[in-house]
Amino acid sequence: NAGVTQTPKFQVLKTGQSMTLQCAQDMNHEYMSWYRQDPGMGLRLIHYSVGAGITDQGEVPNGYNVSRSTTEDFPLRLLSAAPSQTSVYFCAKGRGDPYNEQFFGPGTRLTVL
Amino acid sequence: AQSVTQPDIHITVSEGASLELRCNYSYGATPYLFWYVQSPGQGLQLLLKYFSGDTLVQGIKGFEAEFKRSQSSFNLRKPSVHWSDAAEYFCAVGAWAAGNKLTFGGGTRVLVKP
Repeated sequence: NAGVTQTPKFQVLKTGQSMTLQCAQDMNHEYMSWYRQDPGMGLRLIHYSVGAGITDQGEVPNGYNVSRSTTEDFPLRLLSAAPSQTSVYFCAKGRGDPYNEQFFGPGTRLTVL
Repeated sequence: AQSVTQPDIHITVSEGASLELRCNYSYGATPYLFWYVQSPGQGLQLLLKYFSGDTLVQGIKGFEAEFKRSQSSFNLRKPSVHWSDAAEYFCAVGAWAAGNKLTFGGGTRVLVKP
């Protein structure tokens, strides 16, 4: 899992429900990010963090919240799930500079009914 | 803002044949370029990366890619494909501006015929 743990692996929600996708890393990589993967669209950045206490929006942040209280954890919250949020979600970590690779977790497959 | 285009959504190749996956990027400064591979049901694994120096870079699993600034391309190649290379491949560009974001292309799914 490249040192990135994501839970749960699968989740089904009803429209309007809220939930938190968990992401944890086992090293002190300062950079963490959340992507969603949809067919034909590659991965799109939702939110990212360059260190504890610092978060920022990516390309598709609407409907999602994040926080980074520790270096290790970077949870993604869906405030009120919508069918458009049905996707596979990937968490990644990195060293915080663009020429070092990011390491991706195994993903969470979310279905919103 | 940067962008990445992978023109081929699907490619089918025979085992043992060569493979080339196309990637075109748009970015105003020197790009940091990556190729990732995603096996079915898995996360993404880095194949190779480029940010300076020799424009032909070698990666894992026998893959290589060539950076051509004049064509804004970073195509991935493998001389002889193995059945285990069946996967989805993503080209991505990273940049210092706006938080080291990685921008991904839409991906190319590779099918390998026996």
